[in-house]
Amino acid sequence: GQNIDQPTEMTATEGAIVQINCTYQTSGFNGLFWYQQHAGEAPTFLSYNVLDGLEEKGRFSSFLSRSKGYSYLLLKELQMKDSASYLCAVYTGGFKTIFGAGTRLFVKA
Amino acid sequence: GAVVSQHPSRVICKSGTSVKIECRSLDFQATTMFWYRQFPKKSLMLMATSNEGSKATYEQGVEKDKFLINHASLTLSTLTVTSAHPEDSSFYICSATKTGLEETQYFGPGTRLLVL
Repeated sequence: GQNIDQPTEMTATEGAIVQINCTYQTSGFNGLFWYQQHAGEAPTFLSYNVLDGLEEKGRFSSFLSRSKGYSYLLLKELQMKDSASYLCAVYTGGFKTIFGAGTRLFVKA
Repeated sequence: GAVVSQHPSRVICKSGTSVKIECRSLDFQATTMFWYRQFPKKSLMLMATSNEGSKATYEQGVEKDKFLINHASLTLSTLTVTSAHPEDSSFYICSATKTGLEETQYFGPGTRLLVL
């Protein structure tokens, strides 16, 4: 079966660092996406990891371990505008992307 | 860039009527577009994959006669909800991939449908 797990909700403080974990079990794997989705809006692309390791892009970093079926999204210097849902998604190939249920992040002052 | 637009952004209709939602890739060609449905606090549910010039591929459990998809050009796909009922009320989101670069999906802003 296809399964992507991520925490339902997380709360963090403005200026802090937060790590959102994602584990997956899928029939195929070509890469892993992280998307940000604000309430009532469509998802926006954050990162795409194909190989193991950490990729950094400004305040956001994404890590992948294919052997462990594990990824995380790291957000540094949290801002209030980072309050959103973060979706982990696996591209299995053949135009198929499987989305996790998302992690709702609340950033408090 | 990779901009995808959707129209309308919000629509309210009476039960039994049909509603058409347009999805356009504004600055790139999209051989493949996707239609998703999302309920509050839930993840995206893929409804169908739309390929230009051919019939859409529907996910299991999605009624193809109720959700009509047309992908007539490389920049436009439409979703028509036929004989809409209150249970069809939802947030509908389309996405598109660039021709030849199929991994990354670029999402439209979504259409909120309310059926009374």
